[in-house]
Formats: sequence, C-alpha cells, structure tokens
Amino acid sequence: GESVGLHLPTLSVQEGDNSIINCAYSNSASDYFIWYKQESGKGPQFIIDIRSNMDKRQGQRVTVLLNKTVKHLSLQIAATQPGDSAVYFCAENARNDYKLSFGAGTTVTVRA
Amino acid sequence: DTGVSQDPRHKITKRGQNVTFRCDPISEHNRLYWYRQTLGQGPEFLTYFQNEAQLEKSRLLSDRFSAERPKGSFSTLEIQRTEQGDSAMYLCASTPTGRYLVSGYTFGSGTRLTVV
Repeated sequence: GESVGLHLPTLSVQEGDNSIINCAYSNSASDYFIWYKQESGKGPQFIIDIRSNMDKRQGQRVTVLLNKTVKHLSLQIAATQPGDSAVYFCAENARNDYKLSFGAGTTVTVRA
Repeated sequence: DTGVSQDPRHKITKRGQNVTFRCDPISEHNRLYWYRQTLGQGPEFLTYFQNEAQLEKSRLLSDRFSAERPKGSFSTLEIQRTEQGDSAMYLCASTPTGRYLVSGYTFGSGTRLTVV
C-alpha cells in the first residue's frame, strides 16, 4: 500500500491498495480528533473520530490511529477506491472548547 | 431536514459591495459555526453561536464581518465593503449540545465568494 511517514500535501495511490494519510497536531490540550473528507465543491464530510483515551478506532474500510506521545494522527483507508479521491483533513478539538482546528489537507488521487 | 443548507452556493461581487450569506442548520442542533476556507487550506474558525447567542469570534472576523442568529435557528453572515482577500469558501456547520460530537460537525456545502 501507499503510505507517507510525514504529512505530504498529495498522495497518489493505486486502486485496491491501502492508503495512509498522516497528520501532526500541536495542541497538547486536544483530546478529540476527527478526520474529514472533502470533495470538490462540497463541505467537509465526517469520516471517523477518536477520543484521546483511545489509540485506535476502526470504521468501514477506515482506521484512525492516535499517538499522543508524538502528537500524531493517521488515517488508513483499506482497498482504496476511485470514490476515495478527495482532500482529507484532520481536525482537533480541545477540552473546554467548541471549535475545531484543521490541519493542512492531503489530496488523495486514486489511479485506476 | 437532512443536513445543513447554505445559500447561495456561489456569489460573485464587485469589490466594495456588501454580501450576505444564509445558513440553515439541522433543526435540532443548537450550536452553529461559521468557517472560512481558502483554496488549498483547511477551514478556519470564524464564529460560533449557541442558540441565538454569539459566544466566540475569531480575530479573523474583522469589523466588516457580522454574523447573526436572531431566533436561534438560521444564521446570516454579512461582509461589508468586500475586498479581494475575502474571496473564499464560507462554510457553516452545526452540532447538538454535547462535549463529544457523535459524528463531528455537520457541514453545509458552503458559499463560494469571489470578489472581483
């Protein structure tokens, strides 16, 4: 599968391969994290979330991993499909706060 | 009510004109947020309402920007004397009350503003 160790703005992946998208966060007070998918001309769409008391959470074809020690979040997409082509953002929320802070997005392009 | 609605979807205006955008949140959501997104960037927080009360404003929200939510339902975002730097996607989101957002924010499709 395709993976990146550091955040990269773009990721090209072969259809059927696994994708890994990375995100670093900076706020030590953040305890809730969300991955969003954004297609062209649309608003961000919720994919999966994770609380800081967890290290891993799985959804349908997606897994989010959280490493609080190094303030790192990743999204794994299994068997990437053409419909997965989009921009992916991680967002963090701190305790006693209501707003989300978004990271830099990663544009995923799926090759047929 | 299947989601957050924003109107218009696109707005082209001349520099110096005033524009107003509308957001209709999910009906049972009492929290409403405005974000701005420029090309290639993640959304940036502008302001937040709980019911009709505007509880927080970002420093990004200059005095040319004003947001209202008069009856705790729909919200409007007005930009006066638009500048080219205001060109962006303006996103609205809503959530119910609760510390952990069951499915994160629900975002609308946004209003794309182009100032020429």
